Amino acid sequence: NAGVMQNPRHLVRRRGQEARLRCSPMKGHSHVYWYRQLPEEGLKFMVYLQKENIIDESGMPKERFSAEFPKEGPSILRIQQVVRGDSAAYFCASSLPGHNSPLHFGNGTRLTVT
Amino acid sequence: AQSVAQPEDQVNVAEGNPLTVKCTYSVSGNPYLFWYVQYPNRGLQFLLKYITGDNLVKGSYGFEAEFNKSQTSFHLKKPSALVSDSALYFCAARSGNTPLVFGKGTRLSVIA
Repeated sequence: NAGVMQNPRHLVRRRGQEARLRCSPMKGHSHVYWYRQLPEEGLKFMVYLQKENIIDESGMPKERFSAEFPKEGPSILRIQQVVRGDSAAYFCASSLPGHNSPLHFGNGTRLTVT
Repeated sequence: AQSVAQPEDQVNVAEGNPLTVKCTYSVSGNPYLFWYVQYPNRGLQFLLKYITGDNLVKGSYGFEAEFNKSQTSFHLKKPSALVSDSALYFCAARSGNTPLVFGKGTRLSVIA
């Protein structure tokens, strides 16, 4: 299965710890997106990356959150000093180039901050 | 700001009946419109998209959607609902190089 792979599926962190979420895009896809989903809400855009470049980070909180998509390896969403409000499902998606290309989503990482 | 509205949190329909899930959008410029479905504890699955051309778009699993420019709507439809269609449905829109914006979702429940 060459779909979007996210790991871990579930992540539990205590307040103040760091969370690292990984995403491997579909084969052949060079565009990666991160979204956050809170219960009973839609998906909120966080960041859009291409290899080694952040294209749009207008949805990223100004502090504690960062994302990268290195030349080699998966995309990483990093949350430093997590707080309870960071608890959510984080979804990664990838696509081919082009504004009409559909996004293909992974199964998400469910982050719980205790 | 770009936005997508799904006015119904929940839609209930009897199996075999037609279903409609509503969506309206607000984007600047020509819209690219999408529908996705989400099953429990899973990511979103792409159903169909409208880019240009015919206003009626056909997608996966017998779903279709009708683009109406004057009403800025993109309602999802299916002639005959199945119990297995029960899921959370999201409408999304973008224009140009803006991020894909999602509605809050509509929970579809098909009753046998």
